[in-house]
Amino acid sequence: GENVEQHPSTLSVQEGDSAVIKCTYSDSASNYFPWYKQELGKRPQLIIDIRSNVGEKKDQRIAVTLNKTAKHFSLHITETQPEDSAVYFCAAPTSNDYKLSFGAGTTVTVRA
Amino acid sequence: DAGVIQSPRHEVTEMGQEVTLRCKPISGHDYLFWYRQTMMRGLELLIYFNNNVPIDDSGMPEDRFSAKMPNASFSTLKIQPSEPRDSAVYFCASSSGTPNTEAFFGQGTRLTVV
Repeated sequence: GENVEQHPSTLSVQEGDSAVIKCTYSDSASNYFPWYKQELGKRPQLIIDIRSNVGEKKDQRIAVTLNKTAKHFSLHITETQPEDSAVYFCAAPTSNDYKLSFGAGTTVTVRA
Repeated sequence: DAGVIQSPRHEVTEMGQEVTLRCKPISGHDYLFWYRQTMMRGLELLIYFNNNVPIDDSGMPEDRFSAKMPNASFSTLKIQPSEPRDSAVYFCASSSGTPNTEAFFGQGTRLTVV
């Protein structure tokens, strides 16, 4: 099955700075890479995803990059704000079904 | 659509009791997933269904856990008998039949077994 590793486990940044979270995966046939944000006490919600036919995707202050050769993908948050404080999860599916394997999560804290 | 609906939101039960968690997926979604979230193990997939049929239950931790989906709008996850180590947040999620689409999560059930 798919094995997804996520780093770092915690990340503290000053408001306005950038935050970068990295994930690696094991199944070279995986072709869909979503990122979920989970605020304290709430459900995980999709914030951005990327498919293997593109290398980068941006949505306002967040962007995701994908390197299929190296089997890693990253989440970039620019101009961080206090409301960006949350746990972020990367995920990747196994190649032949809809099982999403999640990374262990990164707790992001934005300091005012 | 109200999204994925789970009940109860919180459940406190004594060890040895039966616990039933409920989920109503988004109408029209073909896939339903049950996840467990703990600090130690993160988000773990327990089982998932496609068109009400269980496809993969390899994540179900023990025979004490069982899940059913009698129709397209309802699923249950049952633990019998419950143990303190089952304490966790249990999420249900659903997605459409198109490959590589968003999984929508319910608000979760926080289970505490004392």
